[in-house]
Amino acid sequence: EVQLVESGGGLVQPGRSMKLSCAASGFTFNNYDMAWVCQAPKKGLEWVATISYDGSSTYYRDSVKGRFTISRDNAKSTLYLQMDSLRSEDTATYYCARHYYDGTYYYNVMDAWGQGASVTVSS
Amino acid sequence: DIQMTQSPASLSASLGETVTIECLASEDIYSNLAWYQQKPGKSPQLLIYYANSLNDGVPSRFSGSGSGTQYSLKINSLQSEDVSIYFCQQNYDSPPTFGAGTKLELK
Repeated sequence: EVQLVESGGGLVQPGRSMKLSCAASGFTFNNYDMAWVCQAPKKGLEWVATISYDGSSTYYRDSVKGRFTISRDNAKSTLYLQMDSLRSEDTATYYCARHYYDGTYYYNVMDAWGQGASVTVSS
Repeated sequence: DIQMTQSPASLSASLGETVTIECLASEDIYSNLAWYQQKPGKSPQLLIYYANSLNDGVPSRFSGSGSGTQYSLKINSLQSEDVSIYFCQQNYDSPPTFGAGTKLELK
């Protein structure tokens, strides 16, 4: 069974940092591109960042470029999101998600999601 | 960024009814459209990708259609467990963008 388990969320002051982790199991982690997707309270979904299966390529939405860093440790089957210079508008539930892979192509579609880590940025 | 507009924002239907949710892209996305279901208090789950391909394990009462800029999700014979928020997402261009969601409730 595919499992993605996030950890590291909580309350943080504006301007401070927080690091989220996502432990993956039930699939060959180093075969898949991975992503973080966020959902602000009572709002829709917003893609945050993606990292390629081998960590060689990363992609970010404009609003987090230069502040957030996505990374992975394939030996530990773990995905990370380092969030610096946090703002109140970063308050959201952050989901770790797996990109769909049909064996040939990777798609910007997420076929497995974690339960989410809640991040609240407030003084 | 490609804008995704979903309609309706909310929908109330009876058990056994057929419901349709629409998604309009701000430009042609060439069928690169996915649908997700988010049950109350849960994470999203992929239902459909490439406009009409059912993800593994998704009941056959769910179907997707459309092309160009217009897409739809149809649920036949509505069940109580279908009460959810449904999101569309385009994966044609980066960044991938989602619709605002359609909240489906039972009448």
